[in-house]
Amino acid sequence: EPEVTQTPSHQVTQMGQEVILRCVPISNHLYFYWYRQILGQKVEFLVSFYNNEISEKSEIFDDQFSVERPDGSNFTLKIRSTKLEDSAMYFCASRAPDRVGDEQFFGPGTRLTVL
Amino acid sequence: GNSVTQMEGPVTLSEEAFLTINCTYTATGYPSLFWYVQYPGEGLQLLLKATKADDKGSNKGFEATYRKETTSFHLEKGSVQVSDSAVYFCALKRSPNSGNTPLVFGKGTRLSVIA
Repeated sequence: EPEVTQTPSHQVTQMGQEVILRCVPISNHLYFYWYRQILGQKVEFLVSFYNNEISEKSEIFDDQFSVERPDGSNFTLKIRSTKLEDSAMYFCASRAPDRVGDEQFFGPGTRLTVL
Repeated sequence: GNSVTQMEGPVTLSEEAFLTINCTYTATGYPSLFWYVQYPGEGLQLLLKATKADDKGSNKGFEATYRKETTSFHLEKGSVQVSDSAVYFCALKRSPNSGNTPLVFGKGTRLSVIA
């Protein structure tokens, strides 16, 4: 069964460094999302992406964050200059075209630790 | 705004016990409601959903009924198994929704079932 994959599973970085989190959505999906969960807190929406542009973003998704679909298969989240409070589990999700259904399929997550 | 509140965990039950995980929501309009489950090392998977008042979602022995009068969507299972041990997330999708409408999640409830 097709699934969303994410790499790496765990990323440790120093404060102020740039990180890129990678996701490979399910191949025929058109809608893409990033969510994050700080330990002990709610899963929070960051950004949605469709037709090569951002559809919606939350207040969390400030200028330090960017997303890209560079090659038609990967979907990346970049944090330009990490802060301690960016430490969280980051989940990627994708969704099929409307005619197929509206379920979002999630990857296993990348745990980001900022020291 | 839209929000989801679910009972704090962890919840520990013996095999064959009855499970209830409470979930209440705040939303304008008529949101769709979801339960997602996350097994260890895996991504969030859709467990069940309901899209309008009085709808009952069900899957794998789990059930939840969309109660507009109490703004609730409690998850129940009559007889839990060790394999049900996971983290359960209640979520909503606001209405009206477009193709890219994000999910709003609760904090998650960890369930441990012991033999």
